[in-house]
Amino acid sequence: GAVVSQHPSWVICKSGTSVKIECRSLDFQATTMFWYRQFPKQSLMLMATSNEGSKATYEQGVEKDKFLINHASLTLSTLTVTSAHPEDSSFYICSARGNEGYTFGSGTRLTVV
Amino acid sequence: QQQVKQSPQSLIVQKGGISIINCAYENTAFDYFPWYQQFPGKGPALLIAIRPDVSEKKEGRFTISFNKSAKQFSLHIMDSQPGDSATYFCAASYNTDKLIFGTGTRLQVFP
Repeated sequence: GAVVSQHPSWVICKSGTSVKIECRSLDFQATTMFWYRQFPKQSLMLMATSNEGSKATYEQGVEKDKFLINHASLTLSTLTVTSAHPEDSSFYICSARGNEGYTFGSGTRLTVV
Repeated sequence: QQQVKQSPQSLIVQKGGISIINCAYENTAFDYFPWYQQFPGKGPALLIAIRPDVSEKKEGRFTISFNKSAKQFSLHIMDSQPGDSATYFCAASYNTDKLIFGTGTRLQVFP
């Protein structure tokens, strides 16, 4: 079946630094990828839709300058959290849409200290 | 219009019992209704999905029942096992657009 690889699985960074999260579709091409954020015991909140070769579409209330998304190829999308602060600490999950539907990565636990 | 309402918030079932989770939607344009299972610290994994031209779909112990006129769909887990203990999310999308998620149901299956 379709597999989406997300790295790193967890990261700790200092306040003010930037962190990059990678999302790769391993065995299929994904023209569209999605980035979600999930707080403890809550549902997934869509942050942005990433289309290969074009600018990402951000959901209302999501700062596009803070959460930079790049979808440079059909198998790779990256999310960079710029100038991270403790309130950005969360579980970030990517998803890729393929013929088998929407496949999710294993998530990245970001802790900003 | 874009919301998907999910209930119950939490569910406790005895081993071997039936777990039932319900979802309701408003947007009649939705054409894809998946259910996801999520374990702590992991991403959601697709369990089963249905399209509105079918009223029921079964895969192993998991069944989706779909009621188009009532705009509701539900997940039934037969012979629930402790390993099924997880959080379950329903979702909906239109024309391969973004998924709209329900609020989640935390299922606990006791031996």
